[in-house]
Amino acid sequence: DIQMTQSPSLLSASVGDRVTLNCKASQNIYKNLAWYQQKLGEAPKLLIYNANSLQTGIPSRFSGSGSGTDFTLTISSLQPEDVATYFCQQYYSGYTFGAGTKLELK
Amino acid sequence: EVQLVESGGGLVQPGRSLKLSCLASGFTFSNYGMNWIRQAPGKGLEWVASISSSSSYIYYADTVKGRFTISRDNAKNTLYLQMTSLRSEDTALYYCARLITTVVGDYFDYWGQGVMVTVSS
Repeated sequence: DIQMTQSPSLLSASVGDRVTLNCKASQNIYKNLAWYQQKLGEAPKLLIYNANSLQTGIPSRFSGSGSGTDFTLTISSLQPEDVATYFCQQYYSGYTFGAGTKLELK
Repeated sequence: EVQLVESGGGLVQPGRSLKLSCLASGFTFSNYGMNWIRQAPGKGLEWVASISSSSSYIYYADTVKGRFTISRDNAKNTLYLQMTSLRSEDTALYYCARLITTVVGDYFDYWGQGVMVTVSS
């Protein structure tokens, strides 16, 4: 099975900061990666698919990059409503999720 | 607007059965593969089962294979998960999710709000 490792597990940042979340796959998954945002008590929301494609309706401050084993989700200017847990997920072989990065305001 | 609404959860004793439903609306249900994904309390997400649009292809996670059965009724726009021989480790919030197929790969674009299943004596 492909393992997904996210770092950091907890990130504190201020409004307006540029924030970078990391996701590493245990083997090459090419660009078969999605990012989801999950707010407390809500269902996960798709942000990015195919590593760098922005889902319709998602603000442009969110962007994804990477391929192979190393991937990044960037929020260019953190907003209060971005407080959430962010999961990466590979779909190259089966479907596995990272443990998540909890993003909070400093 | 795409909507997925799960139901059928609750408290059940170990070894018993439970059937979850997911009612879909706002899209042509019969055109999409569907999945069940779960999240144990305080834990990450775990894919459980997948079914293709016409039920021709069905896949399960090893942790539920032989105990859970995914099915769908396209006439009723409903996805199901029959769970048998339930264990305490099956306690989780169960989400249904729509599958999108691209040339790169398949991913989940819409998720329901989830339904809680608690397995305890």
